[in-house]
Amino acid sequence: NAGVMQNPRHLVRRRGQEARLRCSPMKGHSHVYWYRQLPEEGLKFMVYLQKENIIDESGMPKERFSAEFPKEGPSILRIQQVVRGDSAAYFCASSQSPGTGVQPQHFGDGTRLSIL
Amino acid sequence: SQQGEEDPQALSIQEGENATMNCSYKTSINNLQWYRQNSGRGLVHLILIRSNEREKHSGRLRVTLDTSKKSSSLLITASRAADTASYFCATEPGGTYKYIFGTGTRLKVLA
Repeated sequence: NAGVMQNPRHLVRRRGQEARLRCSPMKGHSHVYWYRQLPEEGLKFMVYLQKENIIDESGMPKERFSAEFPKEGPSILRIQQVVRGDSAAYFCASSQSPGTGVQPQHFGDGTRLSIL
Repeated sequence: SQQGEEDPQALSIQEGENATMNCSYKTSINNLQWYRQNSGRGLVHLILIRSNEREKHSGRLRVTLDTSKKSSSLLITASRAADTASYFCATEPGGTYKYIFGTGTRLKVLA
C-alpha cells in the first residue's frame, strides 16, 4: 500500500494518559500535515511539518500537543495528559510540494482517539 | 458562515438521480478542491479547480467555480449507491498549504 499510513486506527486512553499517533507519508512525500476532525464537522488544520522541521503549528493547542517528523521514521503527534475534549479523529496528509495545490494532499484513514 | 461552508448539510436521492452540492468561501483562493469521505475512512481527493478555471469535469463529476461569488458546486451525475459519503470542499486561502474544510454535505444515495 503506497498510501499514507496511520496507526493505530483506534486508540483508547484514560484521562491523564499520553496518546501517540503515527503517520508514515506516501513514498516520495516529505511534507506532512495533521488535521483534527470532530464528529459531524470538517477537518481543522493543526500542524505542517517537513523532515526535522515544524513549519507551521498555528493550529495546535498551545499546551499538551506536540508534533515531530524525524529524519528517519514516521511523523508523531503526541498528546500529553489527555482530556475528554481530545476525543476526535486525527488525520495525517502528505504531499510532494508545500501545498501549492498542483500536488494535492493525500490523506490517511485517520486515528480515532477515545478518551475514557 | 465559515470558510468553505457546504450546503445542503444532508442530501438524500434515488440511484440514477443527479446530486448537487455547493460550497461558499470567504477569502481569495488559488484553487479549490473537493474530497469525499466514506464513513470511518480518510479523505479521497476528487478534483481540483484553479481560480482561473470556471468548470472542470472528471468522469461523472462536474465542478464549477465562480470567484466573483466565492462559490463552487459539485455535481455528481447518474448517482450510485457507492457515492454515499460525505463531500467536503477545501480551499487554500492566499495559496498557503493550510487547507480549510467546510462542514461537509452528507450524501445518501438510495438503491
